Amino acid sequence: DSGVTQTPKHLITATGQRVTLRCSPRSGDLSVYWYQQSLDQGLQFLIQYYNGEERAKGNILERFSAQQFPDLHSELNLSSLELGDSALYFCASSVADRARYEQYFGPGTRLTVT
Amino acid sequence: DAKTTQPNSMESNEEEPVHLPCNHSTISGTDYIHWYRQLPSQGPEYVIHGLTSNVNNRMASLAIAEDRKSSTLILHRATLRDAAVYYCILSGRAGNKLTFGGGTRVLVKP
Repeated sequence: DSGVTQTPKHLITATGQRVTLRCSPRSGDLSVYWYQQSLDQGLQFLIQYYNGEERAKGNILERFSAQQFPDLHSELNLSSLELGDSALYFCASSVADRARYEQYFGPGTRLTVT
Repeated sequence: DAKTTQPNSMESNEEEPVHLPCNHSTISGTDYIHWYRQLPSQGPEYVIHGLTSNVNNRMASLAIAEDRKSSTLILHRATLRDAAVYYCILSGRAGNKLTFGGGTRVLVKP
């Protein structure tokens, strides 16, 4: 158990819909990262927040957005969903945003868009 | 981001050591070398990381070449639970986002 929690575990929805994925970091961790894992693209970094502020952006679509709240939990919002958005979405946390700190990953949310 | 090169797959026998190589010839002086693994149906799991010196922890050892252009992850006694995809990742610029490549799929035979 990494200490990072993600809800829901599974999500099935239709094209065009909007969903919200939730992540609670390990106690004391200020930095939260979101990653997407699909069969054809592998594991890809989406976005990072540190203590409530956006710190880095990766290959995140404009239809996707995220935020980190004062209690440090984070939400990833996916809108106008397409079939290609079906993937595993992982959240990770680390104590700071420096390269020398390891990241701890949650169990993931499996999103299926039909 | 500097790239890493790993073999696609490796096989090992249970209770034998496993040496996983990683080439990173374009590594910069500030890049840390991270190793993560992903067991089937699970999220990635931190294994070990280092900058210049060799590192040991309860899971593995990391041997870093003197010129830092390559490194080797060493699992001292492989168990069936060590069957996973192992990722070698460089991190140092733009915070510490991780850029995953294809990794090495390790198969452990009983």
